[in-house]
Amino acid sequence: DAGVTQSPTHLIKTRGQQVTLRCSPKSGHDTVSWYQQALGQGPQFIFQYYEEEERQRGNFPDRFSGHQFPNYSSELNVNALLLGDSALYLCASSRRGGSGNTIYFGEGSWLTVV
Amino acid sequence: AQSVTQLGSHVSVSEGALVLLRCNYSSSVPPYLFWYVQYPNQGLQLLLKYTSAATLVKGINGFEAEFKKSETSFHLTKPSAHMSDAAEYFCAVSDRSGGKLIFGQGTELSVKP
Repeated sequence: DAGVTQSPTHLIKTRGQQVTLRCSPKSGHDTVSWYQQALGQGPQFIFQYYEEEERQRGNFPDRFSGHQFPNYSSELNVNALLLGDSALYLCASSRRGGSGNTIYFGEGSWLTVV
Repeated sequence: AQSVTQLGSHVSVSEGALVLLRCNYSSSVPPYLFWYVQYPNQGLQLLLKYTSAATLVKGINGFEAEFKKSETSFHLTKPSAHMSDAAEYFCAVSDRSGGKLIFGQGTELSVKP
């Protein structure tokens, strides 16, 4: 049973560019959340998708947007990249209404903005 | 509103010694509580979770945590540290709607031989 998978694992972008990160949830999961983890910090919630709609959003600017597809996979898009966007981006999946609200994380995508 | 405070950004123990990582939470609603571990350059792995059943929760790799409502705490313990336990540990809280996790700043655990 594959867990949460993310791609790419590492990427380098230039300030002002745009980036798309991808996530496939764990089998049987229908809810996908994205987190940003800056170096030396705990993960910060960006947003959550369920039934192809954004259901909850953290304190991130509109430059951060997402999408969920009918197969539950998801994308995170960041426009007009800033140096401060350099971080590990983690995708997490869960099953809506699942007992105990267990959330599983992928290995993450390391984004470096230069 | 919910928040998590992890006391001690870095904890160092000797191999075989007790591990105690502290976590205090704030929540206006009954919380779910979690401990995750992160090894270098990897994602987060769930160690254990509290979901309002037993207050003493046992997790993987010999870790356990006790939910104490009166102290708003959810400290993580392990009786005997192994070298392989060296990692970053995060405490997190969520509400019961299946929504976002709110993480603490993390505690780096070092294990000395």
